[in-house]
This record gives sequence, structure tokens and C-alpha cells, in this order.
Amino acid sequence: EAGVTQFPSHSVIEKGQTVTLRCDPISGHDNLYWYRRVMGKEIKFLLHFVKESKQDESGMPNNRFLAERTGGTYSTLKVQPAELEDSGVYFCASSRQARSYEQYFGPGTRLTVT
Amino acid sequence: AQKITQTQPGMFVQEKEAVTLDCTYDTSDPSYGLFWYKQPSSGEMIFLIYQGSYDQQNATEGRYSLNFQKARKSANLVISASQLGDSAMYFCAMREVRYNTDKLIFGTGTRLQVFP
Repeated sequence: EAGVTQFPSHSVIEKGQTVTLRCDPISGHDNLYWYRRVMGKEIKFLLHFVKESKQDESGMPNNRFLAERTGGTYSTLKVQPAELEDSGVYFCASSRQARSYEQYFGPGTRLTVT
Repeated sequence: AQKITQTQPGMFVQEKEAVTLDCTYDTSDPSYGLFWYKQPSSGEMIFLIYQGSYDQQNATEGRYSLNFQKARKSANLVISASQLGDSAMYFCAMREVRYNTDKLIFGTGTRLQVFP
């Protein structure tokens, strides 16, 4: 069984540009989560999808961030326009059931905004 | 609000020795779950161990054990017989479950370095 995959592994963009991160959850996992870790701080929750619906997007920092999950499969997280403080590592996780005690994490996408 | 505190930014341990990584938590929920994840230099987050608040015994998974002290609100990770491959970042986390949310709250992490 393939794990959670994320693309790209690393992205370097200039301030003001747009970047789209992609996450492919484990097949059959309805629940998909986005987290991010900014420069030595704790990993913070961004949002949670159940299939294609946003269950909780309380952690999204502002309206420059847009997450989608078309058809309840892969998800994208777009940052437009990117700011310097958006630099960090963006993690995706998935779980089969809601409130499953284990979330499987992807390797993360390291975003650097210059 | 729920919070996880990891007060050790870095720890060193000699190979084959045991090491304890500290984690304290704050919650008003009677039911909660605590996790430890390992993040090696390759970047992926690896689930290590889980402790439920109502579990009667401390969780163990191979060389990992969780020293759960509910009254103190601590959930320390104990790694026995450290190996060089244990060198990594370790994150303590708590699940926050509400009617409309299910997410992990993380601490800032502890970087463990195992030396020969």
C-alpha cells in the first residue's frame, strides 16, 4: 500500500508568486489533513477534508490560501500571492475513518519564499 | 485551549543508553489521545506510539514506551537501547476532537542526537 505522497518536495518562489502544493492520500482514506511547520515552531493544523468537503478550515491563516479536494481524492493547497512568512514545511496526512487514532503523514513540501 | 509543551529543544544520548523525551499537555477534555511522532532528516513524519486518556496501562511499542502520568499531565517518551538511527526530531501531539473538527495539536519538538 502506497503511503501519502506530496509534490513537490521543495519549492522556491519569489514573494508575490503563486504556488500549488499537491497531496495524494492513501487510497481509500476519506479524511485528509493539511498542517504546516514554520521555522522552528510547532506544527500547526490548517484544515481537514472529509471526502471532498471541508470539515474544518479554522487553521487557514488567511484568504491567500485555498485548498481543494476534487472528487475526494487528491488535494491541492494554493498560496496566492505568496508572502515571506509562508515559508515552511507543509504536511499532508490522511486517515481512513474520522477520529481514527492514527493519521498517516506525507514527507512534506518545503516552501521557501524569497 | 489544548496545548502541548516540549521543553527540551535538544537532547544527546549515547548509543545503547535509554533516553526520556518530555511532554506535558493541557486540556479540559476528559477524553483525549496523545501521540509521539518521529521526523528523521528525510522529512517524513513517522507515527511511534499512542496513549488514550482512559488506557489503564502505559503504551509500549518495541523500544518505545510512553510514561503517562495523568495527574501531572505528562506523556514522556522513553526510548530504550538507543540506536544511531534514532537521531531525529520527535514531536508530541494531542488529538482535539469536537463535533466539527478532528486535528492534532503539536509541540515544538525535541531534536535527539545519538552518538556512538
